[in-house]
Amino acid sequence: DAGVTQSPTHLIKTRGQQVTLRCSPISGHKSVSWYQQVLGQGPQFIFQYYEKEERGRGNFPDRFSARQFPNYSSELNVNALLLGDSALYLCASSFSGMGTDTQYFGPGTRLTVL
Amino acid sequence: AQTVTQSQPEMSVQEAETVTLSCTYDTSESDYYLFWYKQPPSRQMILVIRQEAYKQQNATENRFSVNFQKAAKSFSLKISDSQLGDAAMYFCAYGGTNFGNEKLTFGTGTRLTIIP
Repeated sequence: DAGVTQSPTHLIKTRGQQVTLRCSPISGHKSVSWYQQVLGQGPQFIFQYYEKEERGRGNFPDRFSARQFPNYSSELNVNALLLGDSALYLCASSFSGMGTDTQYFGPGTRLTVL
Repeated sequence: AQTVTQSQPEMSVQEAETVTLSCTYDTSESDYYLFWYKQPPSRQMILVIRQEAYKQQNATENRFSVNFQKAAKSFSLKISDSQLGDAAMYFCAYGGTNFGNEKLTFGTGTRLTIIP
């Protein structure tokens, strides 16, 4: 079975630009979460979606937005990029998004903002 | 808010030996989950082991086991018979169970080096 997939693998943008990252969950999983991992730190929670509805939001500015599609895939959008947005963006999927479910991670998208 | 602390930025162990990675956490919830994830240089975050807070018995997965001390809010990972493939960053994570607070909260990680 395929695991969580993310695209693109790497991305280079300049300050002020906008970026869209994509995630496909494990087949049968209905919840997707997004995390930002700055170099040398642990991942920080950005969003959780379940059945196309936002279920949780971390302490990130409104420049960050996300959505989930009927096939449970998800997109993370970041507007007006700042140098500090450079990070590894991880997507994780779980069956229901409940705390009882384990989250399985994708390989991440490395975003570099110049 | 929950916090997770990993006080060992780096650890090293001889191949075939045993190593223990430390993790403490803070929460006011009574029901929650704790995880150890491994992140090798390939960046993929891989689940190592999971512990349910309401279970007294410590979780075990092959060479990996935990020492869960709920009252002390401590959750350490023991790796037995260390192998070269165990070299990675190890992250301790807390998972809530209350609706809307089911996100994972991670520690800052411990880099584990295996010495041949």
